[in-house]
Order: sequence, then structure tokens, then C-alpha cells
Amino acid sequence: LAKTTQPISMDSYEGQEVNITCSHNNIATNDYITWYQQFPSQGPRFIIQGYKTKVTNEVASLFIPADRKSSTLSLPRVSLSDTAVYYCLVGEWTNAGKSTFGDGTTLTVKP
Amino acid sequence: NAGVTQTPKFQVLKTGQSMTLQCAQDMNHEYMSWYRQDPGMGLRLIHYSVGAGITDQGEVPNGYNVSRSTTEDFPLRLLSAAPSQTSVYFCASSGRTEAFFGQGTRLTVV
Repeated sequence: LAKTTQPISMDSYEGQEVNITCSHNNIATNDYITWYQQFPSQGPRFIIQGYKTKVTNEVASLFIPADRKSSTLSLPRVSLSDTAVYYCLVGEWTNAGKSTFGDGTTLTVKP
Repeated sequence: NAGVTQTPKFQVLKTGQSMTLQCAQDMNHEYMSWYRQDPGMGLRLIHYSVGAGITDQGEVPNGYNVSRSTTEDFPLRLLSAAPSQTSVYFCASSGRTEAFFGQGTRLTVV
């Protein structure tokens, strides 16, 4: 199982861009990189997934360098409602039994 | 579209009691999983299933049983509850790209 390392916490202010980096040195060839967001008392919610280079959707971008040993989740112009825990997962597309959730990064957005 | 439905939302058990946490999905996904989340920590995989009739253990399977008789349902059974099983339990149903999680069951064992 590819182990991931993320910062425990980050602070930001409304309107700023936030970048959260995840290290996954032992990523396997078939592994995808997936990010989830979790609010208190809720289940995690899918944000974005990628295999290599850059992926962008309506809420975030995911940057993956050529060696795939790290990835960066970019949240443009954060708001107070983006305060949550963000998890980086590495594993086969199903995630079931193939990847684990680390402790995540607690992002606090301040006014 | 309900997605993933977990019941109950809250439960208090006495040590030694057994119970079943229910999980149902309406997305026709083959993959389903159970996780537990202790305060301030990430999710840990308990058991998972890759289809009806097929289950396997995750990181922390001890004290829990699962079965998958249908694609839609994936119940989690606590055989003899212990205080160490006090946690929030999440069920997930996985499609090709992402996993969809239920709202969780908050279990307290006293």
C-alpha cells in the first residue's frame, strides 16, 4: 500500500489560493491519486482524481509531476465553507482494500 | 437518488451486545466498503466487497463480520461490542472514479 504524507494543518484567508501537497514515494504504476474533502459529522466527498500531469474540474486542480511521487491539490479563491479536512489517497481506481486514508490536512479558512 | 444510506445514525450499545449496521446503495456499484473513524483521525478500512458473495478484510477487521448477499446491501455486524469499537462508521460504494460515502453511524459502546 502506498503511504501518503500530508501537512497536518494549514491556514488561509478568504479569496486566497490554497495548495496542499501530498507525498507518495511508493506509488505503483497502476495507482491513481484521489483527493477527498470531509466536513465534521459527514462522510468524505470526492474532489478530484488524476494519474499524471494536470487535472482540473469545477472546484479544484490537481498537479502531478512526471515522477508521480507527489501531488498538489489547488483550491482557487477559498471561502469559509472550504474549511474541512482534505485527504490524499493513492490506490487502484476502486479504492476498496487498495488504499488507505491518512490523517488528512485540516484546512482552516479565516475571514 | 439516495446514493448510500446508512442506518441507524446513532446507537448506544452495552459491552457484549451485538448489532448490525445497515448500508444500502442504489447506484449498482460492485464495490462497497466499511470504514471506521476515531476522533481526530482518518478513516480505517474494516471490510470490503468486490461484488455479491465476495468479501475481504481491510486493516482493522477484528470484531466485525460482513456479508454481501445482494449488490445493494452490505451490512456490518458487531459480534460482541467493546468500548474500543466506539467510533463513527462509514459505508462507501465505489464507482470507477470515486467512492460515495454515507452519512455515518455514530456508535458508542458503554
